[in-house]
Amino acid sequence: SQQGEEDPQALSIQEGENATMNCSYKTSINNLQWYRQNSGRGLVHLILIRSNEREKHSGRLRVTLDTSKKSSSLLITASRAADTASYFCATANIYNQGGKLIFGQGTELSVKP
Amino acid sequence: DTAVSQTPKYLVTQMGNDKSIKCEQNLGHDTMYWYKQDSKKFLKIMFSYNNKELIINETVPNRFSPKSPDKAHLNLHINSLELGDSAVYFCASSQVPQMRGNTEAFFGQGTRLTVV
Repeated sequence: SQQGEEDPQALSIQEGENATMNCSYKTSINNLQWYRQNSGRGLVHLILIRSNEREKHSGRLRVTLDTSKKSSSLLITASRAADTASYFCATANIYNQGGKLIFGQGTELSVKP
Repeated sequence: DTAVSQTPKYLVTQMGNDKSIKCEQNLGHDTMYWYKQDSKKFLKIMFSYNNKELIINETVPNRFSPKSPDKAHLNLHINSLELGDSAVYFCASSQVPQMRGNTEAFFGQGTRLTVV
């Protein structure tokens, strides 16, 4: 069953602007991960945030996690054309679902130069 | 040096044929996966192996059979291909199974399978 749902499905911004993508999920989790997929390529891991963490940073990326609302957000600051890609959240619950990663359908981000 | 490599990248074949996709990881990881990504980009896990042992086997037609000769390799064999099998198949690996802790997955470049 699908766990994560990203919002919006598509986002178009200008270079230099910030991009915010949201992810909602349904069951309890141990961690939530964000991945990027460039067109025609595999997924690349961006950030993993554990269920007891509320915020995490990596370069221009900032991820928040609100377990009470079962939601997470990914913020990309000062976006670049090279950030154009699909972004997926994935959740892992080691007690249910065999610990497998369950992916949402992604947000397509387009950054115009 | 490609961490997770899968071959072929593209595969076009006729209905009813049998085909295989190969995957190798040089990361020394214990766990490997097969995912299927449909035309709407929805990614769904199919199988997971840990040290050559099957640990996740989703509801997948038994025409799909994974094989792991060693922990660095996980191949996917598909019998009697159908039109609906057309998708992008991704191999991935992680240091340990997700059920053992918080671990990221490393993905291959994908195999675009088209059944005609």
